[in-house]
Amino acid sequence: GQQLNQSPQSMFIQEGEDVSMNCTSSSIFNTWLWYKQDPGEGPVLLIALYKAGELTSNGRLTAQFGITRKDSFLNISASIPSDVGIYFCAGAGNNRKLIWGLGTSLAVNP
Amino acid sequence: ETGVTQSPTHLIKTRGQQVTLRCSSQSGHNTVSWYQQALGQGPQFIFQYYREEENGRGNFPPRFSGLQFPNYSSELNVNALELDDSALYLCASGLGDTFYNEQFFGPGTRLTVL
Repeated sequence: GQQLNQSPQSMFIQEGEDVSMNCTSSSIFNTWLWYKQDPGEGPVLLIALYKAGELTSNGRLTAQFGITRKDSFLNISASIPSDVGIYFCAGAGNNRKLIWGLGTSLAVNP
Repeated sequence: ETGVTQSPTHLIKTRGQQVTLRCSSQSGHNTVSWYQQALGQGPQFIFQYYREEENGRGNFPPRFSGLQFPNYSSELNVNALELDDSALYLCASGLGDTFYNEQFFGPGTRLTVL
């Protein structure tokens, strides 16, 4: 099935560092969502974006809806050990079907 | 804790068998979506039910079918299991009929087909 290009695939960082990941699509989307999935759990919604150019924060997390409507990025500032997990982007276009990225696996060294 | 539960947690079946996976949505949620997540992949949308009727479907064959009940529970049925059906199956509940409205995911059922 179709999946979005998400990068990087994995990251290993030191506690306190900032993290940046992005997601690109060949199609125009009306919605971008960012999720985090912990082992043995389902994804949890972090941030939802509904408008091109929109910049939204949720605590230490900031996400932006790209102006071209084909990309989005997620930043995490001052990472902490509990940020460990897999981060997924997901987007939806006019057909309203949610397409997911392959995920970015984040490891944080205390 | 999302209030969405799934059963069983793990399941092992053999090729050709049939399986039923169950999901209990948050109380009051009238939409449930089912996803297949293969190892190392993102979730793939299977279908969504809104007020007990199928409201949209991804690229999955008819042997994947579902039901939604008035008591906020739902089922995913898969017939004639194939090896590639081995995956984590996630359900997500929400309000309204938009595919990407805020969804609350359950922990998933890990299906292994031998």
